[in-house]
Amino acid sequence: KAGVTQTPRYLIKTRGQQVTLSCSPISGHRSVSWYQQTPGQGLQFLFEYFSETQRNKGNFPGRFSGRQFSNSRSEMNVSTLELGDSALYLCASSSLAGVGYEQFFGPGTRLTVL
Amino acid sequence: TQLLEQSPQFLSIQEGENLTVYCNSSSVFSSLQWYRQEPGEGPVLLVTVVTGGEVKKLKRLTFQFGDARKDSSLHITAAQPGDTGLYLCAGAPRTGNQFYFGTGTSLTVIP
Repeated sequence: KAGVTQTPRYLIKTRGQQVTLSCSPISGHRSVSWYQQTPGQGLQFLFEYFSETQRNKGNFPGRFSGRQFSNSRSEMNVSTLELGDSALYLCASSSLAGVGYEQFFGPGTRLTVL
Repeated sequence: TQLLEQSPQFLSIQEGENLTVYCNSSSVFSSLQWYRQEPGEGPVLLVTVVTGGEVKKLKRLTFQFGDARKDSSLHITAAQPGDTGLYLCAGAPRTGNQFYFGTGTSLTVIP
């Protein structure tokens, strides 16, 4: 069974631009969560989608948004990029929604904002 | 402010030594997970503990959940270079619907 895939793996943008990251979950998984990982703050929860609906949202500004498609693939968008948005963005898929279930992480997208 | 504090932040030991990583919080968690992350990859789940006082063993790794469900520890016996990586704890609070990750412990095992 193929794992979680994320594209692109690396991305360089400049301040003020916007970016869209993509995540394809494990086949059959309907829950996708997004996390931001930085050296200073560690792994922080962005949001979770299940069956095309956002179930939970972390404490991030509205510049961070996401969506999930009927095939469970998910995209995350960051508008008006800031230097502090440079991070590894990870998505994780799970067969069920909510906490307590095993999450399978993708390799991440490394975003650098110049 | 981090909900879960891990210590130590960095650890460099010789192959064959034992080590313990701690994950502490002032909050109570319904479950706690430990992950290992290697460079260029996402975290991989090692174990989930759900009962206060629970101890789980995974080969040379021993995980313990505190009686009050506020803390956890990971003990590695006879560390090997393949154990090198970033160890993360993640907890699900009793109220709330998201995982909170710890600050991480970067382990290097020197051959």
